[in-house]
Amino acid sequence: DAGITQSPRHKVTETGTPVTLRCHQTENHRYMYWYRQDPGHGLRLIHYSYGVKDTDKGEVSDGYSVSRSKTEDFLLTLESATSSQTSVYFCATGVGGARETQYFGPGTRLLVL
Amino acid sequence: AQSVTQLDSQVPVFEEAPVELRCNYSSSVSVYLFWYVQYPNQGLQLLLKYLSGSTLVKGINGFEAEFNKSQTSFHLRKPSVHISDTAEYFCAVSDSTQGGSEKLVFGKGTKLTVNP
Repeated sequence: DAGITQSPRHKVTETGTPVTLRCHQTENHRYMYWYRQDPGHGLRLIHYSYGVKDTDKGEVSDGYSVSRSKTEDFLLTLESATSSQTSVYFCATGVGGARETQYFGPGTRLLVL
Repeated sequence: AQSVTQLDSQVPVFEEAPVELRCNYSSSVSVYLFWYVQYPNQGLQLLLKYLSGSTLVKGINGFEAEFNKSQTSFHLRKPSVHISDTAEYFCAVSDSTQGGSEKLVFGKGTKLTVNP
């Protein structure tokens, strides 16, 4: 597998607080993605990156920002967490291209009270 | 834009029975098709993908899928399931046209439960 780690693996926070989730990869993949997984919705793309400092929005980007200052790290920030952002967040990486496989991290469970 | 419909949200089967998980897609352009599997409390991993050529694609763990362009379907099958196949299965598509979006669009998932 691609070496992909996510931290923290679990987090409980309160409404209105900022939260940052980290994704770290050791595969030198150019592309990195953040998804959220909710029952009945499958996986939905939040943001993705196609290189250092190069990011773009996905389907459900409102309330989220991202940064990528190094190839191996992709940060997802909830500026002011809301209960609707309670979810499981997955990071994925890949070499890029519509035919290529994406490799997923183990996920972060976030509960916003 | 593409969309994916997984027709069954839950599929219970008995061990050693055959199973089919259904996936239909909608797209105005040609697509690549994927099946990913998520075991309990884990991330997703690729089962198989259709890029071109033979419409019958074989994947890991004895799974296979058939691409049917006229019916815009990509159903996943296994002739005999094991308890260890209990997982959630996701169908996904991406745009295969030159210059098209490289993003994956996922279906909502099908939970397969294999009972002894």
